[in-house]
Amino acid sequence: KAGVTQTPRYLIKTRGQQVTLSCSPISGHRSVSWYQQTPGQGLQFLFEYFSETQRNKGNFPGRFSGRQFSNSRSEMNVSTLELGDSALYLCASSGIDSLYGYTFGSGTRLTVV
Amino acid sequence: QQPVQSPQAVILREGEDAVINCSSSKALYSVHWYRQKHGEAPVFLMILLKGGEQKGHDKISASFNEKKQQSSLYLTASQLSYSGTYFCGTGPNTGNQFYFGTGTSLTVIP
Repeated sequence: KAGVTQTPRYLIKTRGQQVTLSCSPISGHRSVSWYQQTPGQGLQFLFEYFSETQRNKGNFPGRFSGRQFSNSRSEMNVSTLELGDSALYLCASSGIDSLYGYTFGSGTRLTVV
Repeated sequence: QQPVQSPQAVILREGEDAVINCSSSKALYSVHWYRQKHGEAPVFLMILLKGGEQKGHDKISASFNEKKQQSSLYLTASQLSYSGTYFCGTGPNTGNQFYFGTGTSLTVIP
């Protein structure tokens, strides 16, 4: 079955701009989580959506937001980009209770210049 | 809240064993283990659901000590393909936030 698909794979944006990243989970998975990965900070939790509702949120500023659609696809938006937002953004999907773990997409590499 | 892993990095020769530890300051309800190879997404290895549980496949196994809020990943007779960064993940009771550990870089050399 198809894996988790993230688009785009690479993005270069200028400080102050905004960006939207997309994630299509594995068919049947209703939970989608987003993570920011940087060399110094590891995998930092951004938020999790389940059935179109944000179930959990990490400690990121309000510039980071997300949503989930009825088909479980999710988008993440970052407004007023800062240089420090440069990172690999990973999304992961799972079944209702994550008993089979999280399946990650290949990520979107965002560079802010 | 982020689980702490030790060691941060380890270099092994093929055939050697390694242990990676994951420690949390919060109660653990389940522990996941993942491996991420350079330039790739993390890949799920296994989940431990209750204290005392041990699991494994091939030569990779893990244990979960619920009372000590710790989990350990054991790699025996390491192979070159084991190289990567290993992350533990903890939580959730369903619906709770899920945290990944600080990561352990493991390099296996010939």
